Amino acid sequence: DADVTQTPRNRITKTGKRIMLECSQTKGHDRMYWYRQDPGLGLRLIYYSFDVKDINKGEISDGYSVSRQAQAKFSLSLESAIPNQTALYFCATSDFNRDRAGYGYTFGSGTRLTVV
Amino acid sequence: AQTVTQSQPEMSVQEAETVTLSCTYDTSESDYYLFWYKQPPSRQMILVIRQEAYKQQNATENRFSVNFQKAAKSFSLKISDSQLGDAAMYFCAYKGGNQFYFGTGTSLTVIP
Repeated sequence: DADVTQTPRNRITKTGKRIMLECSQTKGHDRMYWYRQDPGLGLRLIYYSFDVKDINKGEISDGYSVSRQAQAKFSLSLESAIPNQTALYFCATSDFNRDRAGYGYTFGSGTRLTVV
Repeated sequence: AQTVTQSQPEMSVQEAETVTLSCTYDTSESDYYLFWYKQPPSRQMILVIRQEAYKQQNATENRFSVNFQKAAKSFSLKISDSQLGDAAMYFCAYKGGNQFYFGTGTSLTVIP
């Protein structure tokens, strides 16, 4: 099983619908992140959480919300999806020691979301 | 804010040849880390190589090596003996403090 699991892998939804993207991890990491990838823009940070009671906005949080249900679970919600939220979404994990040592994140395999 | 620039949206290389992907970054910090990630069609983000800014020696991982020029804030990736499996999107990334900053990516095509 993957260390960081994202569900669904692909999703098509209609404008105005609420949708939740889920991320779970077995790494035991306390830090979790949501990124959005768009062609020509790279990966941009949406939200991040350093523990269950800590939620922080990233560079592009407007139109999104998150929930950290447990140390291992971090969900991203689009309350009312719009077409320009069509993108590839990545969840990533890390922990304090890895961050202090300058190591990279562990990424999930992404959710491709299409809003029509 | 830190920025990472990849000026080559697309590159191509003949199989078995060498290719260099460019990356520049902007920072006022002295302690940071630089990375190259590979994203094949499977979408998985795979760490290729990592460089610690305080180390002058360039990192090397098998056929992958970097040319790290700290004063010029340049961090290029060299792929030697290119293989078909090297075809992917490559992202340069900067890590300072607790966050990553990614470049816009370079799509590498390997020609048989």
